[in-house]
Amino acid sequence: QLQLQESGPGLVKPSETLSLTCVVSGDSISSPNYNWGWIRQPPGKGLEWIASIHYTGSTYYNPSLKSRVDISLDTSKNQFSLRLTSVTAADTAIYYCAREGVTYYFDNNAYPNNWFDPWGQGTLVTVSS
Amino acid sequence: EIVMTQSPATLSLSPGETATLSCRASQSVAGYLAWYQQKPGQSPRLLIYGASFRATGIPARFSGSGSGTEFTLTISSLQSEDFGIYYCQQYSNWPPLTFGGGTKVEIK
Repeated sequence: QLQLQESGPGLVKPSETLSLTCVVSGDSISSPNYNWGWIRQPPGKGLEWIASIHYTGSTYYNPSLKSRVDISLDTSKNQFSLRLTSVTAADTAIYYCAREGVTYYFDNNAYPNNWFDPWGQGTLVTVSS
Repeated sequence: EIVMTQSPATLSLSPGETATLSCRASQSVAGYLAWYQQKPGQSPRLLIYGASFRATGIPARFSGSGSGTEFTLTISSLQSEDFGIYYCQQYSNWPPLTFGGGTKVEIK
């Protein structure tokens, strides 16, 4: 059974860097059929996609966060990570990792499958001094 | 960026009733739409992908329909475990992948 587990500091100071890791069990992050993504949810608010990565190294970022975000993966540990720099109180949120389908290309047409399933349990990160 | 708008914000219903949730895209997303359920204190769970295909293990009382810019999630005969917040997500034109603001289904 596929499981994802986020880990990282629960408290980060303003202007510092938020670093999170998602450990994947029950599937290999080297599967060509999936991306691995991060989504966040400020307390009491909606969902915001942050970034995704494919085992080939292809990365995809939300333009609104791109200048501050880096996503990476470690196939030897079957995990992927998120770094968000220069954090402010607006970055306080529950951060989820999730498996994401990929977009297939055939005959010059794109066939997206980029929904998220399953999700990790989430980890609350608070930005405060 | 494709903006997803969900309505209503809150739906108050009794067990056994039918819930009809709407999701509108600011431009066509064809059928590239997913629905998620989130219960308090839990992470979102995939219900529907491709606008109308139920994910593994999702009961038949959940159904999705629509294409282009207008989509509907219908929950027939609401059960107590169905109360929560429902989100739609488009994956047609990205980045960014975008979610709607959610519809809360609460017990009347």
